[in-house]
Amino acid sequence: QQQVKQSPQSLIVQKGGISIINCAYENTAFDYFPWYQQFPGKGPALLIAIRPDVSEKKEGRFTISFNKSAKQFSLHIMDSQPGDSATYFCAAHRVDFNKFYFGSGTKLNVKP
Amino acid sequence: DVKVTQSSRYLVKRTGEKVFLECVQDMDHENMFWYRQDPGLGLRLIYFSYDVKMKEKGDIPEGYSVSREKKERFSLILESASTNQTSMYLCASSSPQGTDYLATNEKLFFGSGTQLSVL
Repeated sequence: QQQVKQSPQSLIVQKGGISIINCAYENTAFDYFPWYQQFPGKGPALLIAIRPDVSEKKEGRFTISFNKSAKQFSLHIMDSQPGDSATYFCAAHRVDFNKFYFGSGTKLNVKP
Repeated sequence: DVKVTQSSRYLVKRTGEKVFLECVQDMDHENMFWYRQDPGLGLRLIYFSYDVKMKEKGDIPEGYSVSREKKERFSLILESASTNQTSMYLCASSSPQGTDYLATNEKLFFGSGTQLSVL
């Protein structure tokens, strides 16, 4: 049973467009929601993260929107660039277990 | 620059072989993790360790074991490899210490992965 559900599985966006990836969870014990970015041949790397006490976090072109009541969070990539083409994973962290639960991943392709 | 190094990028083994995947981190991190990555399933936790000689089962430990004899090294062992263990294996580390816990306590540093094929 997947603790964090991620969609879509793949996404194609034109250069300059907005990429949106969505995640949903059920367990209210999660306390931290990071997004990881993975380029081919590399391990995932932390991109941006949010805590459930804020509704939005922005770092450059990347924004996390968090809806605690709906148990959903999403990653928005503004002005998407071909260099953003990668696989993106959302995750949720339980501090009592010190474990991360990852979504299934979204492969983003930004076309020039 | 922080580093998590996995010993092999690609590995091909036969069914029934005993397989060792090695991971070394140079950040003095307490926590180390083994994940497997499969298309459509994301990253799933196999085993993790909070300290030397300590290990905890993750979500899919069956068919695997681990060893942590030194702080910097965490090994994943496939006792008798099977074809359904063909996958990308990722090692990660993290540290619970530091004043900025958002940056250190809960940030996973991943290796580049080992693509294991079991024939």
